Amino acid sequence: GQSLEQPSEVTAVEGAIVQINCTYQTSGFYGLSWYQQHDGGAPTFLSYNALDGLEETGRFSSFLSRSDSYGYLLLQELQMKDSASYFCAVSARSNDYKLSFGAGTTVTVRA
Amino acid sequence: ETGVTQSPTHLIKTRGQQVTLRCSSQSGHNTVSWYQQALGQGPQFIFQYYREEENGRGNFPPRFSGLQFPNYSSELNVNALELDDSALYLCASSLAVTGGLGEQFFGPGTRLTVL
Repeated sequence: GQSLEQPSEVTAVEGAIVQINCTYQTSGFYGLSWYQQHDGGAPTFLSYNALDGLEETGRFSSFLSRSDSYGYLLLQELQMKDSASYFCAVSARSNDYKLSFGAGTTVTVRA
Repeated sequence: ETGVTQSPTHLIKTRGQQVTLRCSSQSGHNTVSWYQQALGQGPQFIFQYYREEENGRGNFPPRFSGLQFPNYSSELNVNALELDDSALYLCASSLAVTGGLGEQFFGPGTRLTVL
């Protein structure tokens, strides 16, 4: 099976930078994805990393270290609308390349 | 291009009943995955359908079953409902080539309450 660990909650002020870490244990790792979910809404895809390094998409960046079984999502220039839950999800040979999600990190942005 | 839609949005059932949830995938997507999301948790993979065939199943009992139709829409059926089945049920569509690479498009979900 797989296990993923991410912090349960993070609070920050507008304009700040937040890093959400995700560590995983799995067999036959293929890739790490990040999703955002606003309260009561649908999860929306943010990013995907299969290779080591940083992927940047606007204010959000995602990083992967396959050797450390670790990744993070970086949220820059935080805005109130970034208050949401963020999930890392791993796809691996051991789960037939389907998505296994972590429990999520609730980010609260304060004025 | 229409997004993923699900019906109904909310549903209340009692223990032992059966329920059918429906999902229309995003235009052009031939793969549908279903997830159960309990309150405060991440989505848990139930199963996936690709071109009308089941293409992988998570750790859910056989009373969770599904169908995919030629237009790629899908149904999730749950028999003999239990209290623990109360959750948000999400479907997500993708192109088979990218579905395993993380990019899935989720619908708004069906909130099921079992009393």
